[in-house]
Amino acid sequence: ETGVTQSPTHLIKTRGQQVTLRCSSQSGHNTVSWYQQALGQGPQFIFQYYREEENGRGNFPPRFSGLQFPNYSSELNVNALELDDSALYLCASSSRGGAETQYFGPGTRLLVL
Amino acid sequence: RKEVEQDPGPFNVPEGATVAFNCTYSNSASQSFFWYRQDCRKEPKLLMSVYSSGNEDGRFTAQLNRASQYISLLIRDSKLSDSATYLCVVSRDNYGQNFVFGPGTRLSVLP
Repeated sequence: ETGVTQSPTHLIKTRGQQVTLRCSSQSGHNTVSWYQQALGQGPQFIFQYYREEENGRGNFPPRFSGLQFPNYSSELNVNALELDDSALYLCASSSRGGAETQYFGPGTRLLVL
Repeated sequence: RKEVEQDPGPFNVPEGATVAFNCTYSNSASQSFFWYRQDCRKEPKLLMSVYSSGNEDGRFTAQLNRASQYISLLIRDSKLSDSATYLCVVSRDNYGQNFVFGPGTRLSVLP
């Protein structure tokens, strides 16, 4: 196991609602990245947080936002949910400045109806 | 054109077969390269990093050709437990950050 945890594991929302997903990074890791994985596709980079600041963003609209806390845990917030937001949301933790790769949590499966 | 492309798959092979996956990337500034494995409805897990000199881990061998912007993964003596989707990943820096994933190639090893 990687030590990266995410909550909740599953979530059902309706179009237009807002959702908050949570991630606890692996001990010793200071960077959290979030990805969206639609069915049958590879994960797509949403954004990355390092030292509580956004440090890189993929091609996602502003209604996708996030936070990182002093203990390096992180939240992903999505406003005005759309049907296409239905996906597996993965967070990955890593240690910036080291040569390690990213380690993924089990993901949150979001279904928007 | 996608930044990272992989063989479309799926690959269906018998146990004991040797199977090779190919991956190409378009950003010549890419610095780090990885293969991840993803089981059905699970998170991706690191299989191996890929180095210019090539590297081997048991039955798995990865190769990188920077000039051709090409990465490969070879699995020898495939096992039923190798059935999964294999994701090629490139990173734009040397610290394994800013990952770009390929779409993945699904492998089914058949008894």
